[in-house]
Order: sequence, then structure tokens, then C-alpha cells
Amino acid sequence: SQTIHQWPATLVQPVGSPLSLECTVEGTSNPNLYWYRQAAGRGLQLLFYSVGIGQISSEVPQNLSASRPQDRQFILSSKKLLLSDSGFYLCAWSVRGGGSNSPLHFGNGTRLTVT
Amino acid sequence: GDSVTQMEGPVTLSEEAFLTINCTYTATGYPSLFWYVQYPGEGLQLLLKATKADDKGSNKGFEATYRKETTSFHLEKGSVQVSDSAVYFCALRISNDYKLSFGAGTTVTVRA
Repeated sequence: SQTIHQWPATLVQPVGSPLSLECTVEGTSNPNLYWYRQAAGRGLQLLFYSVGIGQISSEVPQNLSASRPQDRQFILSSKKLLLSDSGFYLCAWSVRGGGSNSPLHFGNGTRLTVT
Repeated sequence: GDSVTQMEGPVTLSEEAFLTINCTYTATGYPSLFWYVQYPGEGLQLLLKATKADDKGSNKGFEATYRKETTSFHLEKGSVQVSDSAVYFCALRISNDYKLSFGAGTTVTVRA
């Protein structure tokens, strides 16, 4: 069966510090990969998605970036965190070519607090 | 653009009460529709889905029917339990689009 791992589960970082969140998927090949953010009391915002190694699409311009160095690895980064980067970050995967009826499968999330 | 509108919460119910969470959508083309549930401190779990008009998705006592004529996908459960306390998200995905578009989420609290 497929599993998705995200780490760390929680993170407290000072303003201006760098960020690296990692996500890996097991049990499937060539997945679509996604990073979503959930700000406190708000819905889910798609940040990035990837349909293959090195292929990253950004939905919202901001000081975050994403990379996909391996087929089942997706990394979210920032060079300098802002207070507004605080939130709950969720990684997800879906079947490549699965069509519109293919759901996204989410990890357990990373709670990021920027102080 | 494609979007989902959910009823605003929070919703507070007593155990064994009937739950309805309204969801309507706007989409170009024919979307697939999903309900996700998020328990406190966790990620999102797929609750149910429907991929074409008049389909009914069901899971764990929850049901939702894809109504094309009213562009709706309301979530219902006949008798809620305390363990159903969570945030519920309605979402859609259209053909040839990689992303899932979510509603704002509805927080449901069930009291014993």
C-alpha cells in the first residue's frame, strides 16, 4: 500500500531563518506531488505541485520554493521565513494520469510557527 | 474560475443528531467532487467522492449525492457521534487539472 511521510511534525523557527520541509511517498511511482498550506482558521491554499522530477509549478508567488530531486521526494524551502509563513503545511500525492476522479492523499502535516 | 462554497461553521450538535453540511460548486466542465475530513492535529483524509451526476458517495455513515442541476454536493449523516468532531472540506477536481480546489472547511463539534 502507498504511504506518505512528512517531517518534522512541528517546527518553531525565528523570523529570517531558513526552512526545509520534506515529504516522501512510498508504494507508488511517478506520482503527482503537492504542497498545500492551511493558515489558522482558513482553508487550504495550493502552493506548489509537481508532475515529475524537476518539474515544479507555483500557484502563489511568495518567498517559498519547492524542489523534487527524486521521483517520490518533494521539498518545501525558504531562505528567510516571515511571520506570515506560519501555518500547517500539508504534502499530498495523486496518481499520475489518474484523471479528475483520482483523489489526493495527504500526509499528517507540519505545524510551522515563525516567531 | 473553479470554486467551492461551503456553509460556514462552526456547527455544534448533540450525539445522534442529523448533520448536513452544504456545498455548492462552480466549475468549467464536469468536475469530480470530494469530501475530506480533518481530525484535530492531523492531515486530511478522503471521506467520500462522486465522479458524475447523480452518483452517491458514502463512507462511515456519511453520504453525499452529486447534483448537477443544483451544482451541489451536500454531506449528510443521520446520527453523529462525538468521534465525528472534525473539520470537513468539500473539494472539486476537473479534467486535465492537477489540483484539488477546496472549500473553506466547516468545523463540526458533537457533544455527548
